[in-house]
Amino acid sequence: TQLLEQSPQFLSIQEGENLTVYCNSSSVFSSLQWYRQEPGEGPVLLVTVVTGGEVKKLKRLTFQFGDARKDSSLHITAAQPGDTGLYLCAGRTGGFKTIFGAGTRLFVKA
Amino acid sequence: ETGVTQTPRHLVMGMTNKKSLKCEQHLGHNAMYWYKQSAKKPLELMFVYSLEERVENNSVPSRFSPECPNSSHLFLHLHTLQPEDSALYLCASSQVSGTDTQYFGPGTRLTVL
Repeated sequence: TQLLEQSPQFLSIQEGENLTVYCNSSSVFSSLQWYRQEPGEGPVLLVTVVTGGEVKKLKRLTFQFGDARKDSSLHITAAQPGDTGLYLCAGRTGGFKTIFGAGTRLFVKA
Repeated sequence: ETGVTQTPRHLVMGMTNKKSLKCEQHLGHNAMYWYKQSAKKPLELMFVYSLEERVENNSVPSRFSPECPNSSHLFLHLHTLQPEDSALYLCASSQVSGTDTQYFGPGTRLTVL
């Protein structure tokens, strides 16, 4: 069974703090996506990474794909209350299957 | 209308009812997906259609019946559901090429009484 382990599961921090979320697997992914989901809504795509070692930045969010394409991290600098939500990583292994992590629920307090 | 839309957004049904969920994508994609999202569990892939043919069927009970009449529309027909089927049902679409990034609709929150 292919798994994508995401950590931490829950994170509560103060506004202005930095944080990192991790996704790890023993599987190699052809691409990996990060999504953010708010209650009662569908996941919204943040970024897709494809190349091993790739780093992408989206304002205060930095995404990194591991050299071996088995893991990824999301780093948020100076978190704001608007960053609150469920962050999901998803790895594509080929064909039509995508493996999702269980999610990291982030709460940023003002 | 842009992106992926789903109707209804909320649905409450009894175990003997028959209902259908609808998904429509306006992205020009040629693959569509149904996922089930339950509390504290990863998204579970239910069905995948590529070029209107079903290519994945992940051991889903027969009380869930998908239909893909064209590349823009996807339905999930529901009958004689169980309370444990209550969940958020998400539709997604992607292009069958490149990174195959999936784009999600807002979901249908289903409650089975």
